Amino acid sequence: EPEVTQTPSHQVTQMGQEVILRCVPISNHLYFYWYRQILGQKVEFLVSFYNNEISEKSEIFDDQFSVERPDGSNFTLKIRSTKLEDSAMYFCASSDRTGTGNEKLFFGSGTQLSVL
Amino acid sequence: GENVEQHPSTLSVQEGDSAVIKCTYSDSASNYFPWYKQELGKRPQLIIDIRSNVGEKKDQRIAVTLNKTAKHFSLHITETQPEDSAVYFCAAIFPGGYNKLIFGAGTRLAVHP
Repeated sequence: EPEVTQTPSHQVTQMGQEVILRCVPISNHLYFYWYRQILGQKVEFLVSFYNNEISEKSEIFDDQFSVERPDGSNFTLKIRSTKLEDSAMYFCASSDRTGTGNEKLFFGSGTQLSVL
Repeated sequence: GENVEQHPSTLSVQEGDSAVIKCTYSDSASNYFPWYKQELGKRPQLIIDIRSNVGEKKDQRIAVTLNKTAKHFSLHITETQPEDSAVYFCAAIFPGGYNKLIFGAGTRLAVHP
């Protein structure tokens, strides 16, 4: 069964450093998402991406965050200058299409980001 | 605003008992409601979902019910087993065209042998 894959599984960084989290969505999917989950809390929406542009973003997704689809397979989340409060599990997800009957999101296994 | 409320936050049952988790959503236009199971350190796994044109859906020991009028949906697990122990999240898609899921706060289910 096709899966969303994420690398690395763990990332440790110093406060103020830039990090790039990588995702390979399912190959025929068109809609891509990043979510994050702070330890013990709920999964929070960050951003959705379609047709090579951001379609929607949350209040969490400020100017320190950016997303990119640099080629036909990768989808990346960049945090320009990490803060302690960015420590969380980051999940990538993808979806085939929107509309009735096609809403399923498939999640990757996550990248645990620790900012020291 | 876009919000999904989930209760209870923790639930402890004996093996074989039933477990019920309840969620409410804020936008009456929401039309898709998945439930995810998350084991410690792992990704959320879709276990069942329901669309707004259906009132109930079952899959073996798991069922979901939806009350559109009340903007309320519930997960029912019967004959619980220790391997059902996990955190369960409800979610709702909020209209906007891009399948944005908003999650509830989660319910930590513990099934005791």
